[in-house]
Parts: sequence; structure tokens; C-alpha cells
Amino acid sequence: DAKTTQPNSMESNEEEPVHLPCNHSTISGTDYIHWYRQLPSQGPEYVIHGLTSNVNNRMASLAIAEDRKSSTLILHRATLRDAAVYYCILRDQRVTDSSYKLIFGSGTRLLVRP
Amino acid sequence: DVKVTQSSRYLVKRTGEKVFLECVQDMDHENMFWYRQDPGLGLRLIYFSYDVKMKEKGDIPEGYSVSREKKERFSLILESASTNQTSMYLCASSSTTGGWEQSNQPQHFGDGTRLSIL
Repeated sequence: DAKTTQPNSMESNEEEPVHLPCNHSTISGTDYIHWYRQLPSQGPEYVIHGLTSNVNNRMASLAIAEDRKSSTLILHRATLRDAAVYYCILRDQRVTDSSYKLIFGSGTRLLVRP
Repeated sequence: DVKVTQSSRYLVKRTGEKVFLECVQDMDHENMFWYRQDPGLGLRLIYFSYDVKMKEKGDIPEGYSVSREKKERFSLILESASTNQTSMYLCASSSTTGGWEQSNQPQHFGDGTRLSIL
């Protein structure tokens, strides 16, 4: 399975934008890039996903490099509630024996300062 | 919003006991999953089910079994609990409809059950 690399932790000030990077240099052409986050004492929560083009939703934006070897999750205005562990996950769009499961790495712990 | 409810947030059991962890989802999802989360090891898939009475082993099924008698309910069973099964257990569900490839359906998680085996 293609792997992702994320910084262990990042810090941000409240109400400022946050850019969370993810490297996936061995990504295949059929891999989607998914982001989940896990707030303290909660289960993981889906944030966003994309293939090649940048994506926006009510929670965040996803910027994907042209060569797809890296991506960035953008929180436009961080709030205290955004303090969480953010996971970047690759998922093969083909239906394979392993496409049903999420493979979580260690993620990035985001600290938001008031 | 999708709601995945796990029956207990905290549970303490003794070695050798048979333990049942229950999970219910309210969105008519076909797929349901059980993961465990341990520090330094991340989330690991134990079992999943893609339909009523169907089950598939995940990466670490040893010592566990599952039951899915109704679409909305997926139970994880520890046949004879051991201390190395002390962990956070997370249930998730996902749909196979909505025009997306199955592998791209988001998984919706419950808040977890922290299980301690003494």
C-alpha cells in the first residue's frame, strides 16, 4: 500500500489559516487522497477527499500538487474545536480486497492557541 | 447526520470473560466495521461486514468474533478476554450507494468503547 508522511505536530493561532501537509510520493494513479480527523475522546471524522483537482467543502479545502505526490489540507480559520489529530489516507478507487478498509498512520496533532 | 452509537464508553471486564461490544447505526448503511486503536499502532481493522449475516476478517481477527443479525447492528465478541485486548474499540459504518465507488464512501465512526481487561 502506498504510504503517507505527515509531521507529528503543528501549532496554529485561533482564527488563522492552517495548512497541514501530507507527502505521498508513491501514490498510484487510482489512489484517492482522504483526510480524517480525530477530536479528543471521539472517533475519527471524515473531512474531505479528492483525486486530482482541488476540493472544497464546509469543513476544509484540499489542495493537491500537480504531480499528486503531496497534498495540503487547509483550514481557513482555525478554531479551538479544530484541535485534533489529522490523518491523511490513500484509498484505491478500485474495488479490491483491501479497498474497504482505512489505513491510519500516526497523523498530525494540531494544537490551536487561543 | 449519520449516527453510530456504541453501547458503552467505558467497560471493565476480567480475564476469561466473554465480552460483547454493541454498535448501532441509523443510516441504513450496508457496511460496518470494528477497529481497535492503540498508542503507537494506530487503528487496526478487526472485522467488517458488508451485509446482514456476512462477515470478513480484517487484519487482527484472532481472539474476536462478530455477529450481524440485523442491518443496523454489528456486535464484536471477545470469546475469552485477555489483558492484551485492553484497548479503545471503534465501530464504523459506510454506504455502498451514492454514486461513489465503494472504496471512497466515507466511514462514519462512533465515539469508541474504552475496554479494560483486568
